[in-house]
Amino acid sequence: EDQVTQSPEALRLQEGESSSLNCSYTVSGLRGLFWYRQDPGKGPEFLFTLYSAGEEKEKERLKATLTKKESFLHITAPKPEDSATYLCAVQARAGGTSYGKLTFGQGTILTVHP
Amino acid sequence: NAGVTQTPKFRILKIGQSMTLQCTQDMNHNYMYWYRQDPGMGLKLIYYSVGAGITDKGEVPNGYNVSRSTTEDFPLRLELAAPSQTSVYFCASGVTDLMNTEAFFGQGTRLTVV
Repeated sequence: EDQVTQSPEALRLQEGESSSLNCSYTVSGLRGLFWYRQDPGKGPEFLFTLYSAGEEKEKERLKATLTKKESFLHITAPKPEDSATYLCAVQARAGGTSYGKLTFGQGTILTVHP
Repeated sequence: NAGVTQTPKFRILKIGQSMTLQCTQDMNHNYMYWYRQDPGMGLKLIYYSVGAGITDKGEVPNGYNVSRSTTEDFPLRLELAAPSQTSVYFCASGVTDLMNTEAFFGQGTRLTVV
């Protein structure tokens, strides 16, 4: 069964203090790893998809990296508006009826103080 | 372009009552999903559909039913509401293109069963 574990559960940073969020996963053949941002009372918003080990993607202050066992979301010089819950999800390769399903981690709640 | 629309946004049910959570998307996506999110937890997959007329169970299907008669709509039915079904429900849709498997989420339905 696919599993995703995110750490830490909560992270408090000062504005400008860079850090990383971790997503460890086990999946029977990774098709894609996804990062989402979720603001309170809203649905998750897509950030990145990573498909293979060594791949990196960037968007503003966020950079996602992928290895064979985990992914990191690096936040450089964060601002208060980066405060949100960050969710990681994995999708297994096509096979039977498992194609397309996303398995989510529990999320990391990021708070950035001014 | 509305994306994924869920109704209602909030609902209070009494134990044993029934209701349907509505979800519609206007992006012509094949895949649609229903997730529930409990406080401090990640999203748990209830049911998903890979196209009109095809549905399958996710991790936590007990107490729920779905149907997919059109590409656009994917309603979730609760037949006999129980307090354990108090949660926030998210509908999502996605494409099957090999290069782009991100899912787009609705704003959620907050359901309380009392």
